Amino acid sequence: EIVLTQSPTTIAASPGEKVTIACRASSSVSYIYWYQQKPGASPKPWIYDTSKLASGVPNRFSGSGSGTSYSLTINTMETEDAATYYCQHWSGTPWTFGGGTKLELK
Amino acid sequence: EVQLVESGGGLVQPGRSLKLSCAASGFTFGDYAMAWVRQAPKKGLAWVATISFDGSGTYYRDSVKGRFTVSRDNAKSTLYLQMDSLRSEDTATYYCARLGTGFEYWGQGVMVTLSS
Repeated sequence: EIVLTQSPTTIAASPGEKVTIACRASSSVSYIYWYQQKPGASPKPWIYDTSKLASGVPNRFSGSGSGTSYSLTINTMETEDAATYYCQHWSGTPWTFGGGTKLELK
Repeated sequence: EVQLVESGGGLVQPGRSLKLSCAASGFTFGDYAMAWVRQAPKKGLAWVATISFDGSGTYYRDSVKGRFTVSRDNAKSTLYLQMDSLRSEDTATYYCARLGTGFEYWGQGVMVTLSS
C-alpha cells in the first residue's frame, strides 16, 4: 500500500500570502490528485493529473511534482481558500489519500 | 447537472448489516465506474470500494473485503454498498463518487453509526 504523507498538518496564512502544501508518497506514483473539503461539505475535486485545475478552481492554485514528491501551491491566499486539502493517488489499489492539511485564515 | 444522492444510512449494532444506495442522475450512469469513499468522524478520507462501468470488476480495501459488496443496477442508475458484519471502525460518512479525472463528482454523503 502506498502511503501519502501531507505536511504540514495545519497551516495558517494571511490573505495575500503564498501557501505550499506537500504530499510525499512512500513509493513512486504517476500522478497526484487534490481535493478541497470545507466543514460539513463533500470533498471537491481540485487538481487532477498533478497539475491540472478542476473546473471552477481559481488560477491562483497550482500543482506540481513527480515520483514521490508533490505539492499544491496557492499563489496568493484568499479567505475562501480556508479548507482542508487532501492528496490522493491512482497508482494501483488501494487508492489512498493523504491525512489532509487544514488551511486556516490568519 | 450530475447528482449523486446517497441513502440507507443510520444507527446499527455491531455485527449487523446495512445496505447503502446511491441514486445517480444527470449523466449516463452505465458509462462510468463508481466508488464508495468514507470518512470517519473528524478523520480523513478513505477509499472503500470501486465497481467498473458494467459491474464486471470490483475492488475493495482490505479492511472491508469479505464483508462489503459493491454492486450496481445500470437500468436504475443506482449504486449499492451491502455492508455485513459491521464493526465499530466502520462508523463514518459514506460518499458515493463518480470516477473520471479522479473522484470527479461526490454525493452529499450518508452517515453510518455503529453502536450497541
